Amino acid sequence: DVKVTQSSRYLVKRTGEKVFLECVQDMDHENMFWYRQDPGLGLRLIYFSYDVKMKEKGDIPEGYSVSREKKERFSLILESASTNQTSMYLCASSRQGVKTQYFGPGTRLLVL
Amino acid sequence: AQTVTQSQPEMSVQEAETVTLSCTYDTSENNYYLFWYKQPPSRQMILVIRQEAYKQQNATENRFSVNFQKAAKSFSLKISDSQLGDTAMYFCAFMKGGGANNLFFGTGTRLTVIP
Repeated sequence: DVKVTQSSRYLVKRTGEKVFLECVQDMDHENMFWYRQDPGLGLRLIYFSYDVKMKEKGDIPEGYSVSREKKERFSLILESASTNQTSMYLCASSRQGVKTQYFGPGTRLLVL
Repeated sequence: AQTVTQSQPEMSVQEAETVTLSCTYDTSENNYYLFWYKQPPSRQMILVIRQEAYKQQNATENRFSVNFQKAAKSFSLKISDSQLGDTAMYFCAFMKGGGANNLFFGTGTRLTVIP
């Protein structure tokens, strides 16, 4: 089974803090994704990566950056957290050419 | 841009009954994929079923089946013999064909199975 793990289930941070959300997948997938999930809005793509050190902006990249130094790990970075970034963050991965994405359990981030 | 619409924010169904969740989408693409994902209260998003647009036959997975109407751009999910474990948020999602990897999600339908 594909396993996608995220470093934290719950996280509480202060406004202005730098926040790192980590995602690791164990199936050698080329593609990795970061989404945020908000009630009434569904999931929206923040960034994705199709290879090590490669990244593409999604629909809502403002206020976020990403890092992919190793194939199995994809990090989402909030350079200066703000209260409007309080949300559920979901990581996903997929094999290149295969359309199905596999999701991690999510990180619920609260920014005070 | 692709849009996915789920017009039913919440639904409920009696255990063992059948329920249908609706989804419509808007695209000018001819080659694409459609998905239903399930997110139980534990929050792990799980793929329920997928449909390739070029296939005319509706996909089925055990108690889950879809009604794919390409001309109407409709992709509904039917759950037969509903079980308590089907209680979850259900998201409809769209992906273009070819080399695309982006999923476009609807806003979700919260389904509650009543014992």
